[in-house]
Amino acid sequence: QQQVKQSPQSLIVQKGGISIINCAYENTAFDYFPWYQQFPGKGPALLIAIRPDVSEKKEGRFTISFNKSAKQFSLHIMDSQPGDSATYFCAASESDKIIFGKGTRLHILP
Amino acid sequence: DGGITQSPKYLFRKEGQNVTLSCEQNLNHDAMYWYRQDPGQGLRLIYYSQIVNDFQKGDIAEGYSVSREKKESFPLTVTSAQKNPTAFYLCASSMGPGFNQPQHFGDGTRLSIL
Repeated sequence: QQQVKQSPQSLIVQKGGISIINCAYENTAFDYFPWYQQFPGKGPALLIAIRPDVSEKKEGRFTISFNKSAKQFSLHIMDSQPGDSATYFCAASESDKIIFGKGTRLHILP
Repeated sequence: DGGITQSPKYLFRKEGQNVTLSCEQNLNHDAMYWYRQDPGQGLRLIYYSQIVNDFQKGDIAEGYSVSREKKESFPLTVTSAQKNPTAFYLCASSMGPGFNQPQHFGDGTRLSIL
């Protein structure tokens, strides 16, 4: 069965530091790679997404880096803040399929 | 405010009972989805509907049923055939058909067994 492998499972970062979460996929047909942020008791919210025609996308403090040949993509959170403490999910999708990573629990130390 | 409303927030099921989770959206989105989330797991697709009066099974449809009689509503029934129903259930929608676009999620229903 196809998987999206997300790492690490949990991450602790000092306030102001850089948080990095990685995902790897298998299916080369995937053409949309979103990151979702989820707070306890809430539904996921789309944070940022990328398509394979670009290698990087930046929105504010959040950046996706995409390596098509390695079938990997990562989320970078610059100047991490305590309010960024949440669970982050990556996903890989095409028109008729989506697979989510298992999530990374991020904790930013104040 | 446009969004997705899931109700109830918490639900308890007795043995042998069917329960229905509500999902309503006012985003005028064509597609709607149901996912199941278990601790430490990613989201797994139960059912999805790309247009009204049509729906397809996802990866873990056994023990669940859905209907899509109206564009804004996509209720999920957890039947007694689902032997391990305790989970967090998430409803989502997207503007058009296809998984390769942004999905908007509700705040979930947590189902537990009595």
